[in-house]
Amino acid sequence: AQTVTQSQPEMSVQEAETVTLSCTYDTSESDYYLFWYKQPPSRQMILVIRQEAYKQQNATENRFSVNFQKAAKSFSLKISDSQLGDAAMYFCAAQGGSEKLVFGKGTKLTVNP
Amino acid sequence: DTGVSQNPRHKITKRGQNVTFRCDPISEHNRLYWYRQTLGQGPEFLTYFQNEAQLEKSRLLSDRFSAERPKGSFSTLEIQRTEQGDSAMYLCASRRDSGNEQFFGPGTRLTVL
Repeated sequence: AQTVTQSQPEMSVQEAETVTLSCTYDTSESDYYLFWYKQPPSRQMILVIRQEAYKQQNATENRFSVNFQKAAKSFSLKISDSQLGDAAMYFCAAQGGSEKLVFGKGTKLTVNP
Repeated sequence: DTGVSQNPRHKITKRGQNVTFRCDPISEHNRLYWYRQTLGQGPEFLTYFQNEAQLEKSRLLSDRFSAERPKGSFSTLEIQRTEQGDSAMYLCASRRDSGNEQFFGPGTRLTVL
């Protein structure tokens, strides 16, 4: 069984600043994937970034990057140059050994102008 | 891609009634997923289809829940004898055989009175 833990229910950041959202996971699978999804208020969930566990290099997508620490089972998301449109719920998710995504409880990100 | 669509977007029903939700995946996405999301939680996996075959079911999917994907295109999720605890957002997602990104629909919000 897999578990995903997001220890920060809420975070806030000033516009143009950098923020890091934390995520830890547990899995017995040797081959797995990790994801960060964004869920804006009343809008559908979209993929922000993904990481294959066998890849040592941290994934990046424009202003979004991850710090993947495999031994520590940590997968944090860094958002640089935060924008008002980044305000949303962010969910960390893991997939391995089956098709299902296992999600954390989410972190609500507020971006202050 | 026109996106995953779900209907209805909102459903209010009385306890004990049956409800049915529909999901139309992105065209040519063979894999389809149902998740349930309650307030303050991340989505929880319910079931998965590859084409018309239901290949994985969560223990969350009690015998009051049934899902179908008869022609390998759209899917329906039926809840019989609804209970107040069934109130949640029901999310559908789909993906191609290649790649592992699941694309989510906007969800159906169910309220059981």
